[in-house]
Amino acid sequence: NAGVTQTPKFRVLKTGQSMTLLCAQDMNHEYMYWYRQDPGMGLRLIHYSVGEGTTAKGEVPDGYNVSRLKKQNFLLGLESAAPSQTSVYFCASSTPDGTSGGRYTQYFGPGTRLTVL
Amino acid sequence: GQSLEQPSEVTAVEGAIVQINCTYQTSGFYGLSWYQQHDGGAPTFLSYNALDGLEETGRFSSFLSRSDSYGYLLLQELQMKDSASYFCAVRDIGGGNKLTFGTGTQLKVEL
Repeated sequence: NAGVTQTPKFRVLKTGQSMTLLCAQDMNHEYMYWYRQDPGMGLRLIHYSVGEGTTAKGEVPDGYNVSRLKKQNFLLGLESAAPSQTSVYFCASSTPDGTSGGRYTQYFGPGTRLTVL
Repeated sequence: GQSLEQPSEVTAVEGAIVQINCTYQTSGFYGLSWYQQHDGGAPTFLSYNALDGLEETGRFSSFLSRSDSYGYLLLQELQMKDSASYFCAVRDIGGGNKLTFGTGTQLKVEL
Protein backbone atom coordinates (compact mmCIF):
# COMPACT_ATOMS: atom_id res chain seq x y z
CA ASN A 1 0.00 0.00 0.00
CA ALA A 2 1.20 3.48 -0.86
CA GLY A 3 -0.98 4.97 1.89
CA VAL A 4 -1.70 8.66 1.28
CA THR A 5 0.03 10.33 -1.67
CA GLN A 6 0.03 13.98 -2.73
CA THR A 7 0.74 15.64 -6.06
CA PRO A 8 2.72 17.81 -6.67
CA LYS A 9 5.44 17.87 -4.00
CA PHE A 10 6.49 21.45 -4.73
CA ARG A 11 4.92 24.32 -6.65
CA VAL A 12 5.59 28.02 -7.14
CA LEU A 13 2.70 30.21 -8.29
CA LYS A 14 2.31 33.84 -9.13
CA THR A 15 -0.41 35.86 -7.41
CA GLY A 16 -3.73 35.29 -9.14
CA GLN A 17 -2.86 31.95 -10.70
CA SER A 18 -4.93 28.88 -10.00
CA MET A 19 -3.95 25.33 -9.23
CA THR A 20 -5.27 22.02 -7.92
CA LEU A 21 -3.60 19.80 -5.35
CA LEU A 22 -4.38 16.11 -5.59
CA CYS A 23 -4.60 13.70 -2.67
CA ALA A 24 -5.05 9.98 -3.19
CA GLN A 25 -5.37 7.16 -0.66
CA ASP A 26 -5.47 3.41 -1.22
CA MET A 27 -6.68 2.40 2.27
CA ASN A 28 -10.40 2.60 1.38
CA HIS A 29 -10.91 5.32 3.99
CA GLU A 30 -14.21 7.16 4.07
CA TYR A 31 -12.93 10.37 5.65
CA MET A 32 -10.37 12.73 4.11
CA TYR A 33 -8.93 16.06 5.24
CA TRP A 34 -6.90 18.99 3.95
CA TYR A 35 -4.68 20.93 6.37
CA ARG A 36 -2.26 23.77 6.00
CA GLN A 37 0.82 24.18 8.17
CA ASP A 38 2.51 27.51 8.74
CA PRO A 39 5.58 28.12 10.94
CA GLY A 40 4.66 28.21 14.62
CA MET A 41 0.97 27.59 13.99
CA GLY A 42 0.60 23.83 13.84
CA LEU A 43 -1.84 22.28 11.40
CA ARG A 44 -5.13 23.95 10.62
CA LEU A 45 -8.05 22.22 8.93
CA ILE A 46 -9.14 23.73 5.61
CA HIS A 47 -11.87 21.37 4.38
CA TYR A 48 -12.83 17.80 4.98
CA SER A 49 -15.02 15.08 3.49
CA VAL A 50 -16.91 12.24 5.16
CA GLY A 51 -17.63 10.42 1.93
CA GLU A 52 -17.74 10.52 -1.84
CA GLY A 53 -19.64 13.57 -3.05
CA THR A 54 -19.67 15.33 0.33
CA THR A 55 -17.44 18.12 1.62
CA ALA A 56 -17.50 20.50 4.57
CA LYS A 57 -15.61 23.57 5.76
CA GLY A 58 -12.94 23.43 8.39
CA GLU A 59 -11.29 26.18 10.39
CA VAL A 60 -9.69 28.15 7.50
CA PRO A 61 -11.71 27.50 4.30
CA ASP A 62 -11.58 30.94 2.67
CA GLY A 63 -9.83 31.02 -0.71
CA TYR A 64 -10.03 27.24 -1.19
CA ASN A 65 -12.46 24.83 -2.79
CA VAL A 66 -12.53 21.04 -2.67
CA SER A 67 -14.10 18.13 -4.47
CA ARG A 68 -14.47 14.43 -3.65
CA LEU A 69 -15.73 12.84 -6.85
CA LYS A 70 -14.12 9.49 -6.09
CA LYS A 71 -13.72 7.87 -2.70
CA GLN A 72 -9.96 7.57 -3.06
CA ASN A 73 -9.30 11.15 -4.22
CA PHE A 74 -9.68 14.53 -2.54
CA LEU A 75 -8.81 17.65 -4.54
CA LEU A 76 -7.95 21.06 -3.12
CA GLY A 77 -8.27 24.04 -5.46
CA LEU A 78 -6.94 27.56 -5.27
CA GLU A 79 -8.86 29.71 -7.74
CA SER A 80 -6.78 32.88 -7.36
CA ALA A 81 -3.65 32.31 -5.32
CA ALA A 82 -2.48 34.92 -2.81
CA PRO A 83 0.86 35.21 -0.98
CA SER A 84 -0.99 34.43 2.27
CA GLN A 85 -1.59 30.94 0.88
CA THR A 86 2.13 30.18 0.89
CA SER A 87 2.25 27.15 3.14
CA VAL A 88 2.75 23.42 3.38
CA TYR A 89 -0.42 21.51 2.61
CA PHE A 90 -1.09 18.09 4.09
CA CYS A 91 -3.81 15.65 3.21
CA ALA A 92 -4.96 12.99 5.66
CA SER A 93 -7.46 10.16 5.78
CA SER A 94 -9.19 8.00 8.37
CA THR A 95 -11.93 5.44 8.80
CA PRO A 96 -15.29 6.66 10.17
CA ASP A 97 -14.60 5.46 13.68
CA GLY A 98 -10.96 6.27 13.11
CA THR A 99 -9.74 3.54 15.36
CA SER A 100 -6.71 1.39 15.00
CA GLY A 101 -6.58 -0.89 18.01
CA GLY A 102 -9.00 1.44 19.81
CA ARG A 103 -6.92 4.54 19.16
CA TYR A 104 -8.09 7.26 16.81
CA THR A 105 -5.61 7.76 13.96
CA GLN A 106 -5.35 9.97 10.90
CA TYR A 107 -2.86 9.00 8.20
CA PHE A 108 -1.01 11.87 6.54
CA GLY A 109 0.49 12.32 3.11
CA PRO A 110 4.01 13.73 2.53
CA GLY A 111 2.81 17.27 1.91
CA THR A 112 2.88 19.85 -0.88
CA ARG A 113 5.09 22.88 -0.44
CA LEU A 114 3.43 25.85 -2.15
CA THR A 115 4.96 29.28 -2.60
CA VAL A 116 2.89 32.16 -3.98
CA LEU A 117 4.92 35.11 -5.22
CA GLY B 1 -13.88 26.45 19.90
CA GLN B 2 -10.74 24.61 20.78
CA SER B 3 -7.30 25.89 21.72
CA LEU B 4 -4.26 23.88 22.77
CA GLU B 5 -1.02 25.24 24.17
CA GLN B 6 2.39 23.59 24.18
CA PRO B 7 5.89 24.81 24.98
CA SER B 8 7.59 25.89 21.77
CA GLU B 9 10.88 24.13 22.44
CA VAL B 10 12.33 21.51 24.78
CA THR B 11 15.94 20.32 24.93
CA ALA B 12 17.15 17.10 26.55
CA VAL B 13 20.15 14.78 26.44
CA GLU B 14 20.33 11.36 24.88
CA GLY B 15 19.17 8.63 27.25
CA ALA B 16 17.13 11.00 29.40
CA ILE B 17 13.38 11.25 29.94
CA VAL B 18 11.42 14.25 28.69
CA GLN B 19 7.84 15.36 29.22
CA ILE B 20 5.98 17.56 26.72
CA ASN B 21 2.91 19.23 28.15
CA CYS B 22 -0.33 20.20 26.49
CA THR B 23 -2.99 22.35 28.12
CA TYR B 24 -6.27 22.90 26.38
CA GLN B 25 -9.54 24.76 26.38
CA THR B 26 -12.29 22.94 24.54
CA SER B 27 -16.04 22.83 24.12
CA GLY B 28 -15.84 19.05 24.35
CA PHE B 29 -13.72 16.37 22.77
CA TYR B 30 -13.51 12.60 22.38
CA GLY B 31 -9.82 12.19 23.05
CA LEU B 32 -6.31 13.63 22.94
CA SER B 33 -3.78 12.53 20.31
CA TRP B 34 -0.06 13.01 19.86
CA TYR B 35 1.76 13.21 16.54
CA GLN B 36 5.44 13.33 15.67
CA GLN B 37 6.80 15.30 12.73
CA HIS B 38 10.41 15.31 11.55
CA ASP B 39 11.65 18.30 9.58
CA GLY B 40 10.17 18.22 6.09
CA GLY B 41 8.11 15.15 6.87
CA ALA B 42 4.52 14.17 7.44
CA PRO B 43 2.93 14.00 10.89
CA THR B 44 2.80 10.43 12.17
CA PHE B 45 0.57 9.10 14.91
CA LEU B 46 2.12 8.32 18.29
CA SER B 47 -0.57 7.95 20.93
CA TYR B 48 -4.21 8.56 21.82
CA ASN B 49 -6.02 8.93 25.14
CA ALA B 50 -9.78 8.56 25.12
CA LEU B 51 -9.92 8.19 28.89
CA ASP B 52 -8.04 9.75 31.78
CA GLY B 53 -4.83 8.03 32.69
CA LEU B 54 -1.68 6.73 31.15
CA GLU B 55 -1.30 4.98 27.79
CA GLU B 56 2.04 3.28 27.13
CA THR B 57 3.52 2.35 23.77
CA GLY B 58 7.11 1.27 23.99
CA ARG B 59 9.32 4.25 24.88
CA PHE B 60 6.38 6.65 24.54
CA SER B 61 3.60 7.22 27.07
CA SER B 62 0.77 9.71 27.04
CA PHE B 63 -1.36 10.97 29.89
CA LEU B 64 -4.71 12.76 30.04
CA SER B 65 -6.51 14.49 32.90
CA ARG B 66 -9.83 15.94 31.80
CA SER B 67 -10.45 17.53 35.19
CA ASP B 68 -7.19 19.50 34.84
CA SER B 69 -7.57 20.15 31.06
CA TYR B 70 -4.07 18.79 30.70
CA GLY B 71 -2.14 16.08 28.99
CA TYR B 72 1.46 15.17 28.35
CA LEU B 73 3.67 13.00 26.22
CA LEU B 74 6.52 11.22 27.98
CA LEU B 75 9.51 10.03 25.98
CA GLN B 76 11.95 7.68 27.71
CA GLU B 77 15.47 6.58 26.79
CA LEU B 78 15.78 9.49 24.40
CA GLN B 79 17.55 8.87 21.12
CA MET B 80 18.92 11.35 18.59
CA LYS B 81 16.22 10.26 16.14
CA ASP B 82 13.58 11.56 18.58
CA SER B 83 14.58 15.12 17.62
CA ALA B 84 11.39 16.30 15.95
CA SER B 85 8.28 18.38 16.51
CA TYR B 86 5.49 16.95 18.62
CA PHE B 87 1.87 18.02 18.36
CA CYS B 88 -1.05 17.36 20.64
CA ALA B 89 -4.50 17.37 19.05
CA VAL B 90 -8.06 16.94 20.27
CA ARG B 91 -10.58 14.86 18.40
CA ASP B 92 -13.58 17.14 18.15
CA ILE B 93 -17.08 16.20 19.21
CA GLY B 94 -19.42 16.28 16.23
CA GLY B 95 -19.24 14.90 12.75
CA GLY B 96 -16.12 14.25 10.75
CA ASN B 97 -13.67 13.16 13.46
CA LYS B 98 -11.89 16.48 13.03
CA LEU B 99 -8.62 17.15 14.81
CA THR B 100 -7.63 20.51 16.27
CA PHE B 101 -3.87 20.73 16.71
CA GLY B 102 -1.68 22.55 19.17
CA THR B 103 1.14 24.77 17.95
CA GLY B 104 3.75 22.08 18.45
CA THR B 105 6.87 21.53 20.56
CA GLN B 106 10.26 21.19 18.95
CA LEU B 107 12.33 18.62 20.81
CA LYS B 108 16.10 18.77 20.48
CA VAL B 109 18.05 15.78 21.72
CA GLU B 110 21.71 16.47 22.45
CA LEU B 111 24.63 14.17 23.13
